[in-house]
Amino acid sequence: ELKVEQNPLFLSMQEGKNYTIYCNYSTTSDRLYWYRQDPGKSLESLFVLLSNGAVKQEGRLMASLDTKARLSTLHITAAVHDLSATYFCAVDLTGTASKLTFGTGTRLQVTL
Amino acid sequence: GAVVSQHPSWVICKSGTSVKIECRSLDFQATTMFWYRQFPKQSLMLMATSNEGSKATYEQGVEKDKFLINHASLTLSTLTVTSAHPEDSSFYICSASGRSYGYTFGSGTRLTVV
Repeated sequence: ELKVEQNPLFLSMQEGKNYTIYCNYSTTSDRLYWYRQDPGKSLESLFVLLSNGAVKQEGRLMASLDTKARLSTLHITAAVHDLSATYFCAVDLTGTASKLTFGTGTRLQVTL
Repeated sequence: GAVVSQHPSWVICKSGTSVKIECRSLDFQATTMFWYRQFPKQSLMLMATSNEGSKATYEQGVEKDKFLINHASLTLSTLTVTSAHPEDSSFYICSASGRSYGYTFGSGTRLTVV
């Protein structure tokens, strides 16, 4: 059974600081997804990482994937309050659309 | 980009009644649709996967007679919560996938059973 773990579960950080969220998964996969969820809302797609060594950046967020270590990171640079949300990583297993298994989520709170 | 429309956004119903939630892919053919359930401050839990024209595949522990899923066309899937009870109150989210990789999520439905 595929398991996806994130840490930390909760992160409170000051504006302007940097931090990294980690996502570990238990079974070989070449595809990893990052999503953002605001309170009461559905998921917003942030990144899709499709191969070992993939790195993607959008604004203050950068995601990377190491398939050998079964690890993905979401790095936050110079956090701003608008980044406050819950972030989920998710993994699917096969070459075609397969069910996503979500991580536990990281609730990020950026304080002034 | 791919868009998935989910309705209603929220619904309140009485115990014992049934509620239907619709999920439509607006600009692509969704060969597979997924239904998730999310409790407050928790992650998304997959309830079932449905392919167009086939019976849904339910995850372990999900009552298929209670959560009826129909995927009658490549653009529409429905989830019916039958004989709803307060413990069924939750946030339900659908997701659709087409021929290429990737998943598009609906906006979610907040169900409250009173």
